[in-house]
Amino acid sequence: EVQLVESGGDLVQPGGSLRLSCAASGFTFNNYWMTWVRQAPGQGLEWVANIKEDGSEKHYVDSVKGRFTISRDNAKNSMYLQMSSLRAEDTAVYYCARGGRQRYEYWGQGALVTVSS
Amino acid sequence: QSVLTQPPSASGTPGQRVTISCSGSSSNIESNTVGWYQQLPGAAPKFLIYGNNQRPSGVPDRFSGSKSGTSASLAISGLQSEDEADYYCAVWDDSLNGVVFGGGTKLTVL
Repeated sequence: EVQLVESGGDLVQPGGSLRLSCAASGFTFNNYWMTWVRQAPGQGLEWVANIKEDGSEKHYVDSVKGRFTISRDNAKNSMYLQMSSLRAEDTAVYYCARGGRQRYEYWGQGALVTVSS
Repeated sequence: QSVLTQPPSASGTPGQRVTISCSGSSSNIESNTVGWYQQLPGAAPKFLIYGNNQRPSGVPDRFSGSKSGTSASLAISGLQSEDEADYYCAVWDDSLNGVVFGGGTKLTVL
């Protein structure tokens, strides 16, 4: 059974940093692109970043470029999102999903990140 | 303001057929394949359609997708109360070099 489990969500002050993790199981992790998608309270889905199977290619939404870094550790079947210079508008539930482009077959349950003083 | 335009709401009665549109441009829908997602209240999104019109295993054939030019559509036939949810389209955008989601459509089953 495919499982994606996010962790690391927390309350953080504006300008602070946080690292989210996504632990994958039930499939061959290094065969798939992986993606982060977020959803602000009461809002729609927003694609954040994706990463190629071997980590050699990464893409980001403009609003997080230079502040967020996506990475993965295939030996640990895990993906990460290092977030810095956090802003109030980064407050959202962050989902990890299996897939690179529009085909996200599996999603985690989400991790809540709240940016507030 | 999303790059992909969806109607904010749609509605239908049980048994009816409803269609949700997703309007884009030459850099996204016209040149790439579209996916659709269903999100029930308080839950993670669920994979519904990929490759414009392909259904993953387990998705009822009441759900169908189509694409023409710079627009795509999701059709739900034989509407059921459990179909009440938010629906999102998604596609790669060649200009933005990233994925874009539509703003979402809230479907109400009357």
